[in-house]
Amino acid sequence: QVQLVQSGAEVKKPGASVKLSCKASGYIFTSYHIYWVRQAPGQGLEWMAIINPRGGSISYAQKLQGRVTLTRDTSTNTVYMELSSLTSEDTAVYYCARDGASVADTLGWYFDLWGRGTLVTVSS
Amino acid sequence: QSALTQPASVSGSPGQSITISCTGTSSDVGGHNYVSWYQQHPGKAPKLMIFDVSKRPSGVSTRFSGSKSGNAASLTISGLQPEDEAEYYCSSYTAGSALFVFGTGTKVTVL
Repeated sequence: QVQLVQSGAEVKKPGASVKLSCKASGYIFTSYHIYWVRQAPGQGLEWMAIINPRGGSISYAQKLQGRVTLTRDTSTNTVYMELSSLTSEDTAVYYCARDGASVADTLGWYFDLWGRGTLVTVSS
Repeated sequence: QSALTQPASVSGSPGQSITISCTGTSSDVGGHNYVSWYQQHPGKAPKLMIFDVSKRPSGVSTRFSGSKSGNAASLTISGLQPEDEAEYYCSSYTAGSALFVFGTGTKVTVL
């Protein structure tokens, strides 16, 4: 079954870091880029970062530069997203999503497969 | 990078057609054909409805169609059904360092 399975909900204190996982299955992990997108309560979608699991190249949204780090483990088909220096404004559901282009190292710039999301709550 | 502009809400009766607009700039919507649309029901992950301006993924109803003119893209839902009630977001690749931008979102209500 083609899917992205995300890790469970997290509660963190301001200033802490959080590391979320996104495990791919049912397709060739290195053939599709993975994005991270977040959604604050009652708000819209915000693109955060993208990683090419094949070569490891990464791009981050300017707003989050320096606070977000993507890594991947090709042995377990998993992408990790770490966000540091958390504030209440980072409270959101964090989604990983797959780029729709099926040719390795190319981008379709759309998300054809989504994880169910991980709720991160930042509260003192 | 500013979000793409969408109307906050659009409504229609069952069977009617509605259109949701998505306005950007020549750096995003107007400059590329990488416009996509997503449907999101409450508490659920978004679902891809349209990509590359007007292409429909397998399994998405033909009642959903997309188009673009200049710096504005549109999603049309024809034969509106109760299950179409949801939030809809457009998105686009954008030139420059931002790379990607979403729309502000539109709440579709089926009356």
